Amino acid sequence: QKEVEQNSGPLSVPEGAIASLNCTYSDRGSQSFFWYRQYSGKSPELIMFIYSNGDKEDGRFTAQLNKASQYVSLLIRDSQPSDSATYLCAVGDNTNAGKSTFGDGTTLTVKP
Amino acid sequence: DAMVIQNPRYQVTQFGKPVTLSCSQTLNHNVMYWYQQKSSQAPKLLFHYYDKDFNNEADTPDNFQSRRPNTSFCFLDIRSPGLGDAAMYLCATSGQGSQPQHFGDGTRLSIL
Repeated sequence: QKEVEQNSGPLSVPEGAIASLNCTYSDRGSQSFFWYRQYSGKSPELIMFIYSNGDKEDGRFTAQLNKASQYVSLLIRDSQPSDSATYLCAVGDNTNAGKSTFGDGTTLTVKP
Repeated sequence: DAMVIQNPRYQVTQFGKPVTLSCSQTLNHNVMYWYQQKSSQAPKLLFHYYDKDFNNEADTPDNFQSRRPNTSFCFLDIRSPGLGDAAMYLCATSGQGSQPQHFGDGTRLSIL
């Protein structure tokens, strides 16, 4: 079993819809969770991080964390074609160096 | 703006010819990471520095070396590149603890 698993893509949604991206992790002691967006040929960029159970909202993005069930999700409301990218879920370890384990990513396509 | 800068953006080298990729940061972060990313795959951590402490991933080939002469700079040396080393190489930084990572634009390495 992979340490960080993301729902297999690709995921396609129409413009204006809600895109839901899911991620599960195996280390029950994990405390930090990150979502990165990566456009084709570009480097990852951080879009959300969450440390506590519950929801965290930032504009059209909402991260949801459930430590008991060991999953973290990212909702994108009012999806736009510019949201089309690969979304990487990353789970941090609890060391000073803060290494993260990345999932394989889910590729999202938002169709106009 | 505080940044992570990688040079060059594109690097072409010959099979077996040593190559060095560079990364600099103005964020004054403790931790610097080097990742290898191949098409449609997650970033694969090669090694990281926590301040001057070097940490090598168990499956990083001996062909890959790194240097961090000071807080701001980090280098990736590939001693004898093979065709399988063609990839995007990403440098990232983070603060101490479970902090988000900030990525440079990456260097795309091609092997002739």
